Amino acid sequence: GQNIDQPTEMTATEGAIVQINCTYQTSGFNGLFWYQQHAGEAPTFLSYNVLDGLEEKGRFSSFLSRSKGYSYLLLKELQMKDSASYLCAVTDSNYQLIWGAGTKLIIKP
Amino acid sequence: NAGVTQTPKFRVLKTGQSMTLLCAQDMNHEYMYWYRQDPGMGLRLIHYSVGEGTTAKGEVPDGYNVSRLKKQNFLLGLESAAPSQTSVYFCASSYKEPAQEKLFFGSGTQLSVL
Repeated sequence: GQNIDQPTEMTATEGAIVQINCTYQTSGFNGLFWYQQHAGEAPTFLSYNVLDGLEEKGRFSSFLSRSKGYSYLLLKELQMKDSASYLCAVTDSNYQLIWGAGTKLIIKP
Repeated sequence: NAGVTQTPKFRVLKTGQSMTLLCAQDMNHEYMYWYRQDPGMGLRLIHYSVGEGTTAKGEVPDGYNVSRLKKQNFLLGLESAAPSQTSVYFCASSYKEPAQEKLFFGSGTQLSVL
């Protein structure tokens, strides 16, 4: 079966750095997305990776290793507003999006 | 710029009642989707549409019907609601197929079926 694993919850301190991991086992691979979802709100797009390596966008970076079935989202200089759930999603060989259950990130002062 | 608009935001139904969720997008997107989100689970695709007049089943289509009579609107219907359909429902749209295209989501509908 197809599976995406993310930690359920993580805690970090304001101003610090946190890495949220995502491992996937899917029938093929056509890209990986990260979305941010604040409590009670809609998911919003953060990043897209299709090739191996690191994509940097401001305080957020996303890394992909296709051979390892692994990605991470790196958040730097954490702010209280970064408290949210972070969703990993993979597009399989049939171009279907498979979603992880999300990682709830709690930022403490 | 409204983006994707869903109505209603909250609804409580009794078992067996019916209702329709409305999704509207003003971005001229071809693709539209209905997802449900349950605690501890990833988003699950209910139905989707690749253009006006088309619909297709997703991962969990049973108990739901959809229609896309106009390009900008995508309706999700529950003909006979069941407690298992208690969930948060999200509509989304994209310009191209979602393999390489980000999704734009509506604000969600919290549905409770008693």
